Amino acid sequence: AQRVTQPEKLLSVFKGAPVELKCNYSYSGSPELFWYVQYSRQRLQLLLRHISRESIKGFTADLNKGETSFHLKKPFAQEEDSAMYYCALSSNTDKLIFGTGTRLQVFP
Amino acid sequence: EPEVTQTPSHQVTQMGQEVILRCVPISNHLYFYWYRQILGQKVEFLVSFYNNEISEKSEIFDDQFSVERPDGSNFTLKIRSTKLEDSAMYFCASSGGRGHSYEQYFGPGTRLTVT
Repeated sequence: AQRVTQPEKLLSVFKGAPVELKCNYSYSGSPELFWYVQYSRQRLQLLLRHISRESIKGFTADLNKGETSFHLKKPFAQEEDSAMYYCALSSNTDKLIFGTGTRLQVFP
Repeated sequence: EPEVTQTPSHQVTQMGQEVILRCVPISNHLYFYWYRQILGQKVEFLVSFYNNEISEKSEIFDDQFSVERPDGSNFTLKIRSTKLEDSAMYFCASSGGRGHSYEQYFGPGTRLTVT
């Protein structure tokens, strides 16, 4: 079964602290993994995808097929990073399978 | 920057009534999607649509649901006879192509409340 698991509902850190948002997936084929972000009162938007291997707003995520993980990391959190973060998987079709999301709170 | 728009932002309806949720995808996009999010739960795929037909639908998308592109700009989701459990946030998305290199752009959502 295709599934995305985000074990933390809430992650609270202080500004400048490192952040790691966990994501594990279950998929039998070769998945494409994404991180979407939803800032307060804004729409869901793509943050990054594993195939592009890029860093966006200081965030990176590495696909670990052995551990079936795609954790989102940032070395120094900023207050403006506070948002809801969703890990998502795309199978051989277009549909996105989302995790339950992790709310990141960055305190000053 | 072009955006997906959705109307209304909030719809309240009585159980058993029909509702139509409207979306205007980004103008040159060809692939359209509906997702929903019940309060406190994950965003779930409902249906994808291309070339005036459904490409894929989930188990949630039963006979009570239908989608339509009635003209060149709108993409609608109809629920024929709403149930209490249809209360959710409904998101429309569109993309310029198929495949993982194409980003799905989401609308702001319509909150549907069934009483």
